[in-house]
Amino acid sequence: AQSVTQLDSHVSVSEGTPVLLRCNYSSSYSPSLFWYVQHPNKGLQLLLKYTSAATLVKGINGFEAEFKKSETSFHLTKPSAHMSDAAEYFCVVSDSYTNAGKSTFGDGTTLTVKP
Amino acid sequence: GAVVSQHPSWVICKSGTSVKIECRSLDFQATTMFWYRQFPKQSLMLMATSNEGSKATYEQGVEKDKFLINHASLTLSTLTVTSAHPEDSSFYICSARDDSRGWETQYFGPGTRLLVL
Repeated sequence: AQSVTQLDSHVSVSEGTPVLLRCNYSSSYSPSLFWYVQHPNKGLQLLLKYTSAATLVKGINGFEAEFKKSETSFHLTKPSAHMSDAAEYFCVVSDSYTNAGKSTFGDGTTLTVKP
Repeated sequence: GAVVSQHPSWVICKSGTSVKIECRSLDFQATTMFWYRQFPKQSLMLMATSNEGSKATYEQGVEKDKFLINHASLTLSTLTVTSAHPEDSSFYICSARDDSRGWETQYFGPGTRLLVL
């Protein structure tokens, strides 16, 4: 079975300060991990993905995430928050072996960016 | 980049009617598509996996007779909510797996908001 836990339901930062959104996962095999962003009343946009290549993954809009197998974590970071980063963020785990590639979503983290 | 469309984006219907939602991959072929449901301020819950040319695979607790899925071609999957009731009101999102890329590559549609009165 696979699961993902987003450790913070809400994160609030000031514009220009670093962002950290935490995600822990559980998977029986080598998982693929993703971060998606969802703006209000919009669909999902892929920020970045880890698929067993480099453990430090760079994504769009300055986001990056580091896969740490020993900690079963895949935290999302950004050095400097922008107002447009305010949105809902989902950490997703997927495993081709045990779940036919189906995706399991975390509960989401709402990021608020204060001016 | 790859694009997945959904139609309609918004639908309001009366209780007891059926609603069909289309999910199309516009510039790639997708043997496999997924249907999700999202309640307000909640995460996405996988409802079913749609496979071209075969029956859909439903997640536990999802009524297959209530949510009919047809994957008619490599670019189109439809979700029909039959005899809709107010509790079916939700945001429905599909995703499509690109056959030409790795299994983990899927693209999400913009979603369809259903309101049942």
